[in-house]
Amino acid sequence: RKEVEQDPGPFNVPEGATVAFNCTYSNSASQSFFWYRQDCRKEPKLLMSVYSSGNEDGRFTAQLNRASQYISLLIRDSKLSDSATYLCVVTMDSSYKLIFGSGTRLLVRP
Amino acid sequence: NAGVTQTPKFRVLKTGQSMTLLCAQDMNHEYMYWYRQDPGMGLRLIHYSVGEGTTAKGEVPDGYNVSRLKKQNFLLGLESAAPSQTSVYFCASRADPIPYNEQFFGPGTRLTVL
Repeated sequence: RKEVEQDPGPFNVPEGATVAFNCTYSNSASQSFFWYRQDCRKEPKLLMSVYSSGNEDGRFTAQLNRASQYISLLIRDSKLSDSATYLCVVTMDSSYKLIFGSGTRLLVRP
Repeated sequence: NAGVTQTPKFRVLKTGQSMTLLCAQDMNHEYMYWYRQDPGMGLRLIHYSVGEGTTAKGEVPDGYNVSRLKKQNFLLGLESAAPSQTSVYFCASRADPIPYNEQFFGPGTRLTVL
């Protein structure tokens, strides 16, 4: 079983739609959580961190469920520019290493 | 600040050739990483370094060597390239392992081994 699992998609949604991605992680000792965004043929960039209480940044909302070991990303009012691959990232307690999921691809159509 | 830079951006090698990929960061970060990214596989950690003069193996270290002689540079070497090493290589750096510290990535090196 992969340490971090994501639905690869693609999720194909119209502009203005709300879309949600989930990510599950296997190690209950996981300490911190992130969503990174990766555009085609580019490097990953931090979209947002995921805090225990949940957090929002504009149209993006991230949630963490430690009991069920999953994190989610909700995108409201999708824009064409949101088309990208979204990577779920987890770190372990006292670890220098980030563990990446394989990514979920989002396509927003006009 | 240039952030994290990588050279070269593209390279084509023949099987058995050697090469070195250079990563440089100007953010005074302690931690540096080399990943490879293949279709459907996500990012896999090759080697990493927690400070100048230190290196450690990641998830897929075989066929690669690294050196961190200077804090700002992290070199990835392929001694005898194989077609299985065709991939996109990303370097990254991070200030320290405090939770929620961002990891910054370079633009990547696209390597093809024929």
